[in-house]
Amino acid sequence: DTAVSQTPKYLVTQMGNDKSIKCEQNLGHDTMYWYKQDSKKFLKIMFSYNNKELIINETVPNRFSPKSPDKAHLNLHINSLELGDSAVYFCASSQRTSGRTDTQYFGPGTRLTVL
Amino acid sequence: SQQGEEDPQALSIQEGENATMNCSYKTSINNLQWYRQNSGRGLVHLILIRSNEREKHSGRLRVTLDTSKKSSSLLITASRAADTASYFCATDAPKDTGRRALTFGSGTRLQVQP
Repeated sequence: DTAVSQTPKYLVTQMGNDKSIKCEQNLGHDTMYWYKQDSKKFLKIMFSYNNKELIINETVPNRFSPKSPDKAHLNLHINSLELGDSAVYFCASSQRTSGRTDTQYFGPGTRLTVL
Repeated sequence: SQQGEEDPQALSIQEGENATMNCSYKTSINNLQWYRQNSGRGLVHLILIRSNEREKHSGRLRVTLDTSKKSSSLLITASRAADTASYFCATDAPKDTGRRALTFGSGTRLQVQP
């Protein structure tokens, strides 16, 4: 059973298009995240949701809009894609306890290529 | 430099040797975690060490934490070709810092030659 799943795995699109990436976790966790990993493997937090509420938005352009229909799902919609958006996007989830961030469980990633 | 920096950036060893990776960070922490990423895959959690712990073991992994030096090390003993991956440290800042997510370093790429 896949704990954190993302679709699609690969996404190739033209500049200016709008695209979405979906994420689902079946771990019963309260908190979900989106990370961006660049070509140098640096992993940077983009957003975090706790029980469908946005708690972190790390200076991400407003072309990126996360949406959490329920606590098991966190989707990422990107408008007007730019070349610099090309990266691997990872979804993750964790159980937050008293403000700590414990073990995070990552999805397999979505490799986005903007042409 | 950034919170959670690994050293070295790349490491190549022979199967059976030990591999040591280091991580330095800047702010106070609740815990520090190590993750592994195989090529083309997501990150997998390896081990978590809390700020009041100094050493932790899990199988062939040994993690140390020195909060006075703001550093941690990950030792993989008797390495195997399957250990080839990138290894990341990640820190969780205390609640009163306002930081509410893990901060990852850029990773150490380990190559274990069979």
